[in-house]
Amino acid sequence: EVQLVESGGGLVQPGASLKLSCVASGFTFSDYWMSWVRQTPGKTMEWIGDIKYDGSYTNYAPSLKNRFTISRDNAKSTLYLQMSNVRSEDTATYYCTRDETYYGYIAYWGQGTLVTVSS
Amino acid sequence: DIVMTQSPSSLAVSAGETVTINCKSSQSLLSSGNQKNYLAWYQQKPGQSPKLLIYLASTRESGVPDRFIGSGSGTDFTLTISSVQAEDLADYYCQQHYSYPNTFGAGTKLELK
Repeated sequence: EVQLVESGGGLVQPGASLKLSCVASGFTFSDYWMSWVRQTPGKTMEWIGDIKYDGSYTNYAPSLKNRFTISRDNAKSTLYLQMSNVRSEDTATYYCTRDETYYGYIAYWGQGTLVTVSS
Repeated sequence: DIVMTQSPSSLAVSAGETVTINCKSSQSLLSSGNQKNYLAWYQQKPGQSPKLLIYLASTRESGVPDRFIGSGSGTDFTLTISSVQAEDLADYYCQQHYSYPNTFGAGTKLELK
């Protein structure tokens, strides 16, 4: 069974940095592109970016590219999202997702981790 | 960026009714190479994470009931739920994965009348 378990969320002050993690199990992590998606309290879904199965290539939403970095450690079956200079508008639930291999749609979602940016 | 316009934003239905949710993209999602539409539908029940329902516009994910039907091509897509059941009450999102950045519709909330 595919499982994606995010962690690292919480209350963070504006301007701070935060690193989210996602531990994957139930499949060969190193075979799949992975993505991060966030959902605001108002339910808006935003694709953040993705990373190639070997970690050699990433894509980002242009509005987030300068502050967010996606990485992975295939030995630990773990996906990361480094967030820097966070703002109140970054308040959201962050989902780790596994992409379908060939066509790229999201096949599986984690349970999400809530990040709240507030002073 | 491709803009996904989803309608309606909410829909109140009675059990047993058929409902239609629309999703329009600002650019065609049809690949000329393989003639496939890069459009997915997700269902999110209250308190849960989203779940894949339909991919490539019309292919049901394994285990999804056949009352969920995806259709459309190019820029206009539809999710039809025939004979809605109480367990179908949820938020529904379309997403294009044709080009980066992948983008979502604003969602449709399906409620009981």
